[in-house]
Amino acid sequence: EVQLVESGGGLVKPGGSLRLSCAASGFTFSTYSMVWVRQAPGKGLEWVSSISNAINYMYYADSVKGRFTISRDNAKNSLYLQVNSLRAEDTAVYYCARIYSSHAFDYWGQGTLVTVSS
Amino acid sequence: SYELTQPPSVSVSPGQTARITCSGDALPKKYVYWYQQKSGQAPVLVIYEDSKRPSGIPERFSGSSSGTMATLSISGAQVDDEADYYCYSTDSSGNHGGVFGTGTKVTVL
Repeated sequence: EVQLVESGGGLVKPGGSLRLSCAASGFTFSTYSMVWVRQAPGKGLEWVSSISNAINYMYYADSVKGRFTISRDNAKNSLYLQVNSLRAEDTAVYYCARIYSSHAFDYWGQGTLVTVSS
Repeated sequence: SYELTQPPSVSVSPGQTARITCSGDALPKKYVYWYQQKSGQAPVLVIYEDSKRPSGIPERFSGSSSGTMATLSISGAQVDDEADYYCYSTDSSGNHGGVFGTGTKVTVL
């Protein structure tokens, strides 16, 4: 069974940092590209960042470019998102998902909440 | 920035067909993906590449795309289909990221 479990969220002050993790199991992690998607409270979904399976390519939304860094460790079956210089508007549930084909995100975790507040 | 526009809400009676539209300038050249999100849950992929249905998704979910508009149809809608639905696609600028639509709340009553 495919499972994705996010962790690392929490309450952080503006300007602070966090490292979000996504532990994958039930599939060959190293053969799939992965994505982070976020959802602000009561709002819609927003694509944040994607990374290819062999770490050849990493893409970012303009809203996070230069502040967030996506990475992965295929030996540990883990995906990461380093989030720096956090702003109030970064407050959201952050989901990791597996990319099945191009932009088809076929399995999702349950999300981890990041709250940016003083 | 690129935008995908959806109606805020759609209401349908049980057993009827719900249709959710998604409009975007790049849709003639780009695939559309549809995600269902029930309250308090993670999204679920229900349609990919305009009209393909992942395994485990009921046949009552179907997708189509023509010109600048894509449509998700739920035939014989059930109370369990009440959820927010989001389309997703990419623009034609070469940007490798994507954009979610504004979302549509489907009510079955």
